[in-house]
Amino acid sequence: DSGVTQTPKHLITATGQRVTLRCSPRSGDLSVYWYQQSLDQGLQFLIHYYNGEERAKGNILERFSAQQFPDLHSELNLSSLELGDSALYFCASSAPRDREDNEQFFGPGTRLTVL
Amino acid sequence: DAKTTQPNSMESNEEEPVHLPCNHSTISGTDYIHWYRQLPSQGPEYVIHGLTSNVNNRMASLAIAEDRKSSTLILHRATLRDAAVYYCILRNLLRGGSQGNLIFGKGTKLSVKP
Repeated sequence: DSGVTQTPKHLITATGQRVTLRCSPRSGDLSVYWYQQSLDQGLQFLIHYYNGEERAKGNILERFSAQQFPDLHSELNLSSLELGDSALYFCASSAPRDREDNEQFFGPGTRLTVL
Repeated sequence: DAKTTQPNSMESNEEEPVHLPCNHSTISGTDYIHWYRQLPSQGPEYVIHGLTSNVNNRMASLAIAEDRKSSTLILHRATLRDAAVYYCILRNLLRGGSQGNLIFGKGTKLSVKP
């Protein structure tokens, strides 16, 4: 158990819909990262928040957005869903100070299926 | 971003050592070498990291070449539970825009035979 929780575990929805994925980092971790894992693209970085502020964006579509709240939990919002958005979505957290040698702790993921 | 190259797959027998290679010929002096693994149906899991010197922890050992252009993750006695995809990742917060996110390649799929 990494200490990172993600809800829901599974999500099945239809094209065009909007969903929200939730992540609670390990206690004390200020950084939250979101990653998407699909069969064809592998694991890809989406976005990074540090203590409520966006720090970096990766391959995140404009239809996707995220935020980190004062209690440090984070939500990833996916809208106008397409079939290709079906994937595993992981969040990860890391220790208070961002350093090159900090390990990231990954949650169990949310499996999104768009029908 | 500096790239890593790993074999697509490797096989090992249970209770034997496993050496997982990674080439990173364009590594910079401030790149840390991280290894993560992903067991089936789970999120990635940190294994080990290093900068220049060899490193040991309870999970594995990391051997880094003197020129740092390659490294090897060593599992001393493979178990069935070690069957996973192993990712070798270079991480450098000083690189513009990365801000610490991990850039995953395809990794090496390790199979362990009983």
